[in-house]
Amino acid sequence: DSGVTQTPKHLITATGQRVTLRCSPRSGDLSVYWYQQSLDQGLQFLIQYYNGEERAKGNILERFSAQQFPDLHSELNLSSLELGDSALYFCASSVNSGGAFETQYFGPGTRLLVL
Amino acid sequence: AQTVTQSQPEMSVQEAETVTLSCTYDTSESDYYLFWYKQPPSRQMILVIRQEAYKQQNATENRFSVNFQKAAKSFSLKISDSQLGDAAMYFCAYMMNTGNQFYFGTGTSLTVIP
Repeated sequence: DSGVTQTPKHLITATGQRVTLRCSPRSGDLSVYWYQQSLDQGLQFLIQYYNGEERAKGNILERFSAQQFPDLHSELNLSSLELGDSALYFCASSVNSGGAFETQYFGPGTRLLVL
Repeated sequence: AQTVTQSQPEMSVQEAETVTLSCTYDTSESDYYLFWYKQPPSRQMILVIRQEAYKQQNATENRFSVNFQKAAKSFSLKISDSQLGDAAMYFCAYMMNTGNQFYFGTGTSLTVIP
């Protein structure tokens, strides 16, 4: 158990809908990262928040948005969902602002299925 | 752009034997880090080993070691004395020294045969 929690574990929804995924980082970690893992693919970095501010941005679609709250938990909002958005969404956290020397601890993921 | 390639979608190894997983990457940077992550059926991503590009010495963590060839842009993972618990998807990943973004390969599924 990494100490990172994600809810819900599974989510099934329809095309065109909007969902919110939640992540609670390890106690004391200031950075939260979001990743998307589609079938048979590696993880794709979406976005990082550090202490409430956006820190780095990857290949995140405009239909997706995220935020980090004062208590450091984060939410990833996915809207106008398409079939191709079906994937495993991971959250990770690290102690400070990130970097290769800082270990990222991954949560168990949220599996999203868009029908 | 940074790319990471794992050319072996699937590998298998007999229990107690040694297996090597391959990874190549492409970058124009000189300072970066390379990683191997393990993803068991539980889907949790677990850091196996990390290598700093400026270090010539290959990283080792117990039964796991890497063969880092910087000029060839190759970063293979060797698992010695394979155990049933090593069965998982293994991902190679790259990160720039100044960055926060991982670039992952597509993974190698490792089966351990009893």
